Amino acid sequence: AQTVTQSQPEMSVQEAETVTLSCTYDTSESDYYLFWYKQPPSRQMILVIRQEAYKQQNATENRFSVNFQKAAKSFSLKISDSQLGDAAMYFCACNSNSGYALNFGKGTSLLVTP
Amino acid sequence: NAGVTQTPKFQVLKTGQSMTLQCAQDMNHNSMYWYRQDPGMGLRLIYYSASEGTTDKGEVPNGYNVSRLNKREFSLRLESAAPSQTSVYFCASSEQGHTGELFFGEGSRLTVL
Repeated sequence: AQTVTQSQPEMSVQEAETVTLSCTYDTSESDYYLFWYKQPPSRQMILVIRQEAYKQQNATENRFSVNFQKAAKSFSLKISDSQLGDAAMYFCACNSNSGYALNFGKGTSLLVTP
Repeated sequence: NAGVTQTPKFQVLKTGQSMTLQCAQDMNHNSMYWYRQDPGMGLRLIYYSASEGTTDKGEVPNGYNVSRLNKREFSLRLESAAPSQTSVYFCASSEQGHTGELFFGEGSRLTVL
């Protein structure tokens, strides 16, 4: 089983600035997958970005990118040019081929100020 | 395209009452999941169904039962609701199983008095 830790319960960023959300995980698997999900006030869970552990290149999706440090078991999310619509709860999640479902961290609440 | 649809979206129960949360997906996904979300706890897996005809317990299955009625539908039943089951419940489905993207419903807020 995997455990996922998000050490920042809350973060704040000004509009147009950059913010990084931290995530560390623990797994004994060699083949696993990492995710960041966004949950805005509407409560809908939305996939932000996905990373396969065997890929060395960091995943990017427009203004969202990750810093995947496999040896350190770290998977941080960087949001560039922050927008008001980025305000949400962000969840880091992990799974492996031998697992059966995603394991989620406790989340980081991101506030975006004008 | 509806995606994953959950009903009801809100429900208030008294302790000891029973109810069923319904979930349906129209994406032809094999795998379906029920999670609960509590403040400060993230999402925790209750039950999952890797494929039609199979169901398995997740991290917090006590007090719940599930039925994979067909490939589209996966229901969650509370036989005798308890205040500890007050939570937001999410149904999700996935094409690639547990290593692919999960598509979530909008959530169901359940309050047990």
